[in-house]
This record gives sequence, structure tokens and C-alpha cells, in this order.
Amino acid sequence: RKEVEQDPGPFNVPEGATVAFNCTYSNSASQSFFWYRQDCRKEPKLLMSVYSSGNEDGRFTAQLNRASQYISLLIRDSKLSDSATYLCVVPFMAGNKLTFGGGTRVLVKP
Amino acid sequence: EPEVTQTPSHQVTQMGQEVILRCVPISNHLYFYWYRQILGQKVEFLVSFYNNEISEKSEIFDDQFSVERPDGSNFTLKIRSTKLEDSAMYFCASTGGISNTEAFFGQGTRLTVV
Repeated sequence: RKEVEQDPGPFNVPEGATVAFNCTYSNSASQSFFWYRQDCRKEPKLLMSVYSSGNEDGRFTAQLNRASQYISLLIRDSKLSDSATYLCVVPFMAGNKLTFGGGTRVLVKP
Repeated sequence: EPEVTQTPSHQVTQMGQEVILRCVPISNHLYFYWYRQILGQKVEFLVSFYNNEISEKSEIFDDQFSVERPDGSNFTLKIRSTKLEDSAMYFCASTGGISNTEAFFGQGTRLTVV
């Protein structure tokens, strides 16, 4: 299994709809997880941190399933501006390298 | 809001030349990283740096690459004898430490080797 794996998509989402996608990770010792958003040719920007079972911030909800070793990101009421690549990031341990998934591309269409 | 800054934003160099990419991490952060992203591909880890030494490096980070923190604020990535395949976006990142692992990225340097 790859260290961090994501469905590359693209997920074509009608505006206003809900979309969800997962990220699987191989290291069962990982304690923290992050979702980053990356726009074309820009730097990754932190979207959400997940330290326990989940986190919610407005239209975005992240959930962690430790038993199955995956985290999910759900976007409700999708906006055109949500079109981006969503990167799952897992640090093995504090201070060590952050391992990126390949990203999931989301395209929100009118 | 504190941010990571990188210079230059774009560098074009001839194959075989040396380049130095510069980064100023967030001032109270302790861990520093370089990542690269070849166009259309995933973000790849190069190296992490803590307490003035490399803490981890990937197989990509061979003898062609080096990092240093010469003056306590700048964090540089040197690429010697550049190759065409070194063309990529190079991102610098920093994190606060053991209890704060959220990484903040600079806007990147686009390196083009011709």
C-alpha cells in the first residue's frame, strides 16, 4: 500500500451539491492528518486539521477512521470557488516529513 | 498573518548551472522543509531540517542538493549542476514544532532548466 493514497478524480460536482472523497494512509502510528487545498500552480494551503475523530469548519467536514486507516473530506453546498485539488497530508511524526497524497481534483460546475 | 516567503518566484537557468533558492520561514517555527512538484505531478518531499541539521531526506535529495540556514532566518536550497528534469516548482514549508505540526508553505519558486 502507498503511504498516502487518494482518488485522483476529477470529481465533477454540480454547484450546490455535496461531494466527498477519501484518503487512505499506511502508517497506523500517524496521529495527525491534514487536508490542504491547492489551486493550479499555487502553493498548498491548509484547509483543515484532523487530530481526533473529525473536524468541521463551515461547509467542510473531515472525518477520521483509524480502524480502516482513512480520512475523508466532505464539501456541502459546493461553490464554483471550491474547484481545486485537495491534498491529503500525513506526518509520520512531529517534525518529520509530511507525506502527500497525489491529490483529488474537484471541479464544481454551474 | 505570518507567512513563509520564497525568492525568486521564477528562475530560469541553463543546464549545468548552480541555483540557490531562498526561503524565509515563519520566525518562531522550528522545522523547515523543501518540497518539489513537477508540473502535473504530486508534491514530493525533498528534505527536512531541524536544529541546524538535516533530520530526514528523500532519495531525490542526492549529492546534487544541499540546504543550509546561514543566518538564522534564511533557509536555502542549492542545486548544483542542474538538469532538465530539475525543472519544477520548489516549495519551502515550516512548522512550529512537536505540538504544532501544521505546515505553512511559501508561494514557491518555479525553476526552469533550459
